[in-house]
Amino acid sequence: DVVMTQSPLSLPVTLGQPASISCRSSQSLVHSDGNTYLNWYQQRPGQSPRRLIYKVSNRDSGVPDRFSGSGSGTDFTLEISRVEAEDVGIFYCMQATHWPPWTFGQGTKVEIK
Amino acid sequence: EVQLVESGGGLVQPGGSQRLSCVASGFTFSNYWMHWVRESPGKGLVWVARINSDGTSTNCADSVKGRFTIYRDNAKNTLYLQMNSLRVEDTAIYYCSTLNRFGRDYWGQGTLVTVSS
Repeated sequence: DVVMTQSPLSLPVTLGQPASISCRSSQSLVHSDGNTYLNWYQQRPGQSPRRLIYKVSNRDSGVPDRFSGSGSGTDFTLEISRVEAEDVGIFYCMQATHWPPWTFGQGTKVEIK
Repeated sequence: EVQLVESGGGLVQPGGSQRLSCVASGFTFSNYWMHWVRESPGKGLVWVARINSDGTSTNCADSVKGRFTIYRDNAKNTLYLQMNSLRVEDTAIYYCSTLNRFGRDYWGQGTLVTVSS
């Protein structure tokens, strides 16, 4: 199984400042079709998860452009250019290249300082 | 409006059974693979099971294999999870989701299953 490792697990941030979350996989997430199936999800308190980013760097419809994804192979990053209050929650990376199983990172809790 | 509405959660004793349902609307349910994902304190999100669009192929996580069964009824736009031999560690919020690799992605609001004596 592919193990997804996120860091940090807790991220206190100041409003208006940038934030960055790292996600590393135990093996390359490049699929035989050439795509890299690495998604990012946000789960706000008391809400269901929602996908923010798919295939490493593609923002979902309605996702603010302050969120961006990057990376390749086994190393990936989610960046928030300027944190807003509504960004509080837990962020997860998930791989969908080598399945089953589909595997999530442990989650990174973003909170405001 | 796209909706996935789960139901069937509740309190169940260890060793008991429960069936979860997820009713889909607002999109062509029969075109999508569907998944169950659970969330428990300290464990985050964990994938549980997946079924292909016509119900002919399924996968389950090792932790639930032999105890949980995923199935669907496309005529009723409904996804199911039959859970048997429940354990305390199965306590979680269970979400149904398309868990799409790309394209539109949908999640339900979740249903809480508590396994306790």
